[in-house]
Amino acid sequence: QSGLTQPPSASGTPGQRVTISCSGSDSNIGDNYVYWYQQVPGTAPKLLIYTDNYNQNQRPSGVPDRFSGSKSGTSASLAISGLRSEDEADYYCAAWDDSLRGEVFGGGTKLTVL
Amino acid sequence: EVQLLESGGALVQPGGSLRLSCAASGFSFINYGMSWVRQAPGKGLEWVSGIRASGYGTYYADSVRGRFTISRDNSKNTLFLEMSSLRGDDTAVYYCAKRTRAEPGYGIDVWGQGTTVTVSS
Repeated sequence: QSGLTQPPSASGTPGQRVTISCSGSDSNIGDNYVYWYQQVPGTAPKLLIYTDNYNQNQRPSGVPDRFSGSKSGTSASLAISGLRSEDEADYYCAAWDDSLRGEVFGGGTKLTVL
Repeated sequence: EVQLLESGGALVQPGGSLRLSCAASGFSFINYGMSWVRQAPGKGLEWVSGIRASGYGTYYADSVRGRFTISRDNSKNTLFLEMSSLRGDDTAVYYCAKRTRAEPGYGIDVWGQGTTVTVSS
């Protein structure tokens, strides 16, 4: 099952803005909502934000607006502004794939706060 | 509070079978699709299977199709994953997950804490 493509790593210093990209295809990102999950090693993933087909973001309560998402065509990105040490985690993008009739995940991006 | 509590993970021999359960609480279980997602040691997330809110309509990753069966009991707010012909590459933490809507096509908003399946002789 083909997945979405993310960079394996990203980094930034406290206060900086960092973006993580996610590349897919017409059958997944191009046609469906994109979801971003944060996972601190050893714990379960947590939904951060999702972007609908009108490029509108939905954040669960408790997720700060430092996290924002966007999508264009078959790509999406997660932006984290005002980077904090507690943002150090693995980040995954995901979307439903109409062709595969299943969900596809990105390989994950390990974010390091220097 | 929405909660998902998995159980049933164990050490099992290659070729063996196992049944995972997920007890849901804090939301109207009958109104939401559910999924199983796994994570092998040191690896990323892999979607395994999904099921519509009604229970009629199931979906599987190619890697498990024909070996795993997802089901749900809406009267007991419980999700299941029957696993058979288990292989070493099925070794993973298995997460139960609630979807944002009843039908497929929409993602996960709540995750359980996971249950560990180890396939080894």
